[in-house]
Amino acid sequence: AQTVTQSQPEMSVQEAETVTLSCTYDTSENNYYLFWYKQPPSRQMILVIRQEAYKQQNATENRFSVNFQKAAKSFSLKISDSQLGDTAMYFCAFEELVGKSTFGDGTTLTVKP
Amino acid sequence: ETGVTQSPTHLIKTRGQQVTLRCSSQSGHNTVSWYQQALGQGPQFIFQYYREEENGRGNFPPRFSGLQFPNYSSELNVNALELDDSALYLCASSLVRGGGDTQYFGPGTRLTVL
Repeated sequence: AQTVTQSQPEMSVQEAETVTLSCTYDTSENNYYLFWYKQPPSRQMILVIRQEAYKQQNATENRFSVNFQKAAKSFSLKISDSQLGDTAMYFCAFEELVGKSTFGDGTTLTVKP
Repeated sequence: ETGVTQSPTHLIKTRGQQVTLRCSSQSGHNTVSWYQQALGQGPQFIFQYYREEENGRGNFPPRFSGLQFPNYSSELNVNALELDDSALYLCASSLVRGGGDTQYFGPGTRLTVL
């Protein structure tokens, strides 16, 4: 069974600084997808960034980028120039090709002014 | 284009009762997934529906069942409610089944079982 581990339950960062959230996963699959989702206090979950396992190039979306290490089964999220609106719970998720998703237990990120 | 909506927002039931939660998918999306999110935890995959057929199921007992309708809206039914069923129930729709497509989440239904 696939598992996703987020080892940092809570993190904080000063506004405008950079923070990295960690995620490791376990799978025997070779082809899969990895995601970071953001769940603000209002609770609606939104996609932050997506990575296909067959792509070696790390995904980037504006201030958000990932460090995908397939052999190490590691998928960290870097947030640059942190903003107050980045305060949220962040979930790392793994998706099999058939569509079943497995989520980690989340990291609560607080951006301080 | 409307997003994913869920009803009701909150629900209180007693142990042993049955509940039905509803989800309207985003326009054009034919795939709906349901998740259970206990307080302080990540979402747990319950099942996915694609074009009215169950397309995958997580580790949930048969008293969790679902339906998807021709308009791709969906229902989650839970029978014989237990205290541990208290959670936020999320549905998410996507344009295609699997393939790493973006899932669009609804705001959730908060179920409390007393």
